[in-house]
Amino acid sequence: DAGVIQSPRHEVTEMGQEVTLRCKPISGHDYLFWYRQTMMRGLELLIYFNNNVPIDDSGMPEDRFSAKMPNASFSTLKIQPSEPRDSAVYFCASSPSFGQTEQFFGPGTRLTVL
Amino acid sequence: GDSVTQMEGPVTLSEEAFLTINCTYTATGYPSLFWYVQYPGEGLQLLLKATKADDKGSNKGFEATYRKETTSFHLEKGSVQVSDSAVYFCALSHAGGTSYGKLTFGQGTILTVHP
Repeated sequence: DAGVIQSPRHEVTEMGQEVTLRCKPISGHDYLFWYRQTMMRGLELLIYFNNNVPIDDSGMPEDRFSAKMPNASFSTLKIQPSEPRDSAVYFCASSPSFGQTEQFFGPGTRLTVL
Repeated sequence: GDSVTQMEGPVTLSEEAFLTINCTYTATGYPSLFWYVQYPGEGLQLLLKATKADDKGSNKGFEATYRKETTSFHLEKGSVQVSDSAVYFCALSHAGGTSYGKLTFGQGTILTVHP
């Protein structure tokens, strides 16, 4: 079974540009999570979805960040416009709907905003 | 709200030394408890878990026991290897209610093992 797939693995962009990060969860998992990891703030939950519906987006830092899940096998996290302080590793994770609360993490996207 | 507190790192050990990483939590009800490990350049992987009081999770020589009376889930290993060098995260999650599936992480503890 393929795990959680994220693309790109690395992204370097200039301040003000739009950035789109992509995630494919494990087939059959109903929950999808987006995290951000930095040295200063550790792991932060940005948003999570259940059955493609956003449940909690209270961790999204500001309106420049948006996330969508158009179907069960794909999600995007978009930053527009990007700023240097957005530089971080962004992780996507998925989990089954019932009986387990373990999350399976993707390899992450390392974003650098110059 | 829920919170997880881990011992501050970094932790540096020699190979074959005994490892303990402390973790305590604050939560209502009966959460599930986890240890995740992150190797350099990779995402987090589940190392072990426990879903009820007095359960012991174990994997790859690591162990942790769910202690509800002390709200703790300390990670131990009897003899560490260089390959255990990684960041270790303690986390909790609720199996029901509005917080279902949402993990609360500790700040992570960096472990470095020297030959």
